Amino acid sequence: DTGVSQNPRHKITKRGQNVTFRCDPISEHNRLYWYRQTLGQGPEFLTYFQNEAQLEKSRLLSDRFSAERPKGSFSTLEIQRTEQGDSAMYLCASSLGYAVTDTQYFGPGTRLTVL
Amino acid sequence: AQSVSQHNHHVILSEAASLELGCNYSYGGTVNLFWYVQYPGQHLQLLLKYFSGDPLVKGIKGFEAEFIKSKFSFNLRKPSVQWSDTAEYFCAVNAEGGGADGLTFGKGTHLIIQP
Repeated sequence: DTGVSQNPRHKITKRGQNVTFRCDPISEHNRLYWYRQTLGQGPEFLTYFQNEAQLEKSRLLSDRFSAERPKGSFSTLEIQRTEQGDSAMYLCASSLGYAVTDTQYFGPGTRLTVL
Repeated sequence: AQSVSQHNHHVILSEAASLELGCNYSYGGTVNLFWYVQYPGQHLQLLLKYFSGDPLVKGIKGFEAEFIKSKFSFNLRKPSVQWSDTAEYFCAVNAEGGGADGLTFGKGTHLIIQP
């Protein structure tokens, strides 16, 4: 399977700890997106990369959140000093081209539980 | 900023019934519109999208959607549903020139098809 992969699939942490998630996009996809989804809601956009450049960040992305895509391939999303409100499914998506109309292919997500 | 409303949060239908799921967006300019589906235990995947041309778009698995600009709507339809259509359906929008390339999703509609 050559789809978008995310690791870990599940993460349980205690409040105040730092966590890091990884996303591997489909090979040669230029854009990579991060979304967050809480129970009963649709995905909410967090940020996206075009190759290695982070082009847009949502207001949802507080200072405790940081994302990188150092070589334009995989990406990491780090949450520092986690809070219970950070509990959610974190989704990654990638697309091939540079247009907003290009199809975004989603990964399975990382479910974060903050105790 | 754009927003998306999906008025039906839960829909239960019998097999062979016709389906229409409502989606309305708020944005005064040009939009790109999407329907995504999430089958139980699977990733989000694209059903169909509209960005220009014929306002009636056809997607996978017999689904179609009609963009009605005057009503700010993009309703999803299928003439005869099957048990395998049981899933969560999300409408999403991206505003051209809105300064945001991420998708804005609705809260989703949980569709259950009874055999």
